Amino acid sequence: ELKVEQNPLFLSMQEGKNYTIYCNYSTTSDRLYWYRQDPGKSLESLFVLLSNGAVKQEGRLMASLDTKARLSTLHITAAVHDLSATYFCAVIKGKLIFGQGTELSVKP
Amino acid sequence: GAVVSQHPSRVICKSGTSVKIECRSLDFQATTMFWYRQFPKQSLMLMATSNEGSKATYEQGVEKDKFLINHASLTLSTLTVTSAHPEDSSFYICSARVSGGGEKLFFGSGTQLSVL
Repeated sequence: ELKVEQNPLFLSMQEGKNYTIYCNYSTTSDRLYWYRQDPGKSLESLFVLLSNGAVKQEGRLMASLDTKARLSTLHITAAVHDLSATYFCAVIKGKLIFGQGTELSVKP
Repeated sequence: GAVVSQHPSRVICKSGTSVKIECRSLDFQATTMFWYRQFPKQSLMLMATSNEGSKATYEQGVEKDKFLINHASLTLSTLTVTSAHPEDSSFYICSARVSGGGEKLFFGSGTQLSVL
């Protein structure tokens, strides 16, 4: 059974700081996704990572994938308040399975 | 980008009634749609996978007779919560995969169901 685990589950950071969210998964997979969810809203697609060593960046967010370690990271650089949201990683193996989510709060 | 339209966005119903949620892919064909349920402060839990023209595949612990899924066309899937009870109150989200595979999944805007 495919399991996807994120840590931390809660993250409170100050503006301007850097931090990394980790996503581990239990079996091999074709691709890994990162999503953002604001309260009461659906999911916003951030990144799709397709191969080992893949790195994608958008603004202050950068995602990477290590398929050998079955690990993906979402790195936040110089956080700003607008990044406050819940971030999910998800892995697909026939169906899309989500991690528990990381609730990020960026404080001034 | 591709759009998945989900309706209604919010529904309040009495216990014992049935509620239908629609998920449409507006500008692409989706052979596969996924239905998720999300309780407050929790992750998305896959309920079922629906393939056009065939029966849905339900995840373990999801009652197929309670959550009826119909995927009658390449652009429409529906989830009907039958005889809803307060414990069915949740946020329901659909997702569509582009026909022919594709790396991206597109999500509907979600439906907040409140059963009184």
